[in-house]
Amino acid sequence: DTAVSQTPKYLVTQMGNDKSIKCEQNLGHDTMYWYKQDSKKFLKIMFSYNNKELIINETVPNRFSPKSPDKAHLNLHINSLELGDSAVYFCASSPGLGGPLHFGNGTRLTVT
Amino acid sequence: AQSVTQLGSHVSVSEGALVLLRCNYSSSVPPYLFWYVQYPNQGLQLLLKYTTGATLVKGINGFEAEFKKSETSFHLTKPSAHMSDAAEYFCAVSLMDSNYQLIWGAGTKLIIKP
Repeated sequence: DTAVSQTPKYLVTQMGNDKSIKCEQNLGHDTMYWYKQDSKKFLKIMFSYNNKELIINETVPNRFSPKSPDKAHLNLHINSLELGDSAVYFCASSPGLGGPLHFGNGTRLTVT
Repeated sequence: AQSVTQLGSHVSVSEGALVLLRCNYSSSVPPYLFWYVQYPNQGLQLLLKYTTGATLVKGINGFEAEFKKSETSFHLTKPSAHMSDAAEYFCAVSLMDSNYQLIWGAGTKLIIKP
């Protein structure tokens, strides 16, 4: 009965490949996010969606694209993967802007 | 620019001792304040939050934090550390004038010595 679930948990791939990470929340929240956590545990917001509209798009490469088929899902697609993309990616949701975040358990991406 | 500073990337305490994790922020408007905990190989989970009202807030697992406006601080405490408290702790600030975007501290790793 996981509140925020993301798949896969681990993703190992080669440079230049394209990959996707899926995220689903069953909390009925209006806002979903993607975060990148580097090896030093620093958290960087990548995207957030509020009622299917992109409201924050930080300075991430356009190789990264969020896709939200509905309010409960926010997938992350990455084109032309690079070594520097290796990190843990977290999906999260909140009841609205300013609300507390509920995180998934992360996807550890390793690019070789 | 708004910022969040967590003093000490690593804090080590003995089991049963007081836990104190420091968080200071810079903001010109009243903030919402959060502490999150991340256990190994897991996502972050909310420990406690301050929005308005009582400045001493209690969270899960015996943790509490006090909002001190004059000191722009929101330090996290627990009277007696347990081995299971070993984790990474993140302080975060949300500001109305920045569309409630969360600003994160760099995290503090709490180490519990037996």
